[in-house]
Amino acid sequence: GAGVSQSPRYKVAKRGQDVALRCDPISGHVSLFWYQQALGQGPEFLTYFQNEAQLDKSGLPSDRFFAERPEGSVSTLKIQRTQQEDSAVYLCASSLVVGGFTDTQYFGPGTRLTVL
Amino acid sequence: SQQGEEDPQALSIQEGENATMNCSYKTSINNLQWYRQNSGRGLVHLILIRSNEREKHSGRLRVTLDTSKKSSSLLITASRAADTASYFCATDDDDMRFGAGTRLTVKP
Repeated sequence: GAGVSQSPRYKVAKRGQDVALRCDPISGHVSLFWYQQALGQGPEFLTYFQNEAQLDKSGLPSDRFFAERPEGSVSTLKIQRTQQEDSAVYLCASSLVVGGFTDTQYFGPGTRLTVL
Repeated sequence: SQQGEEDPQALSIQEGENATMNCSYKTSINNLQWYRQNSGRGLVHLILIRSNEREKHSGRLRVTLDTSKKSSSLLITASRAADTASYFCATDDDDMRFGAGTRLTVKP
């Protein structure tokens, strides 16, 4: 069975450009998470979806970051007017159950974003 | 901000030796999870231990949890070169919070 997939795997953007990162969770997984991982650091929580509802966006670093999951499956993380400090690996994870913090999260391979 | 703090930051051992990594956290938790990350890859879930559990085993992995000390340890027995990776603990308070990880190198 397919795991969590993310695209693109690598993205290079010029400062000021908008980017969109896609996550395809495991089919049937209710919970979806986005994380940001800076080089040499652990992942930091960005936002959480339960089906199509974005229940927690407390980790989004600024209003330039926007995430959606309109049909409760695929999710897109959009970063507007990218800055150099946005350079990181963006990880998506999905979990079968509601409130997936208490369950195993399955991670995608990540999208490495480099902002020049 | 990150809650879990892994210790040591880096660990280098010979194949066949045991590797012990520690994690400390700050707030009360429902569960604590350990993940592994190979260079350039996503995280792979290793083991989840709930706050009412003290020890859990999975193959060559042994995890302990001491909620009074707010700490957990991950022991990998009879290590292999393929165990070389970064290991993260993650706790759930309101959100899932990861530590900075322990970089384990197992030399063949």
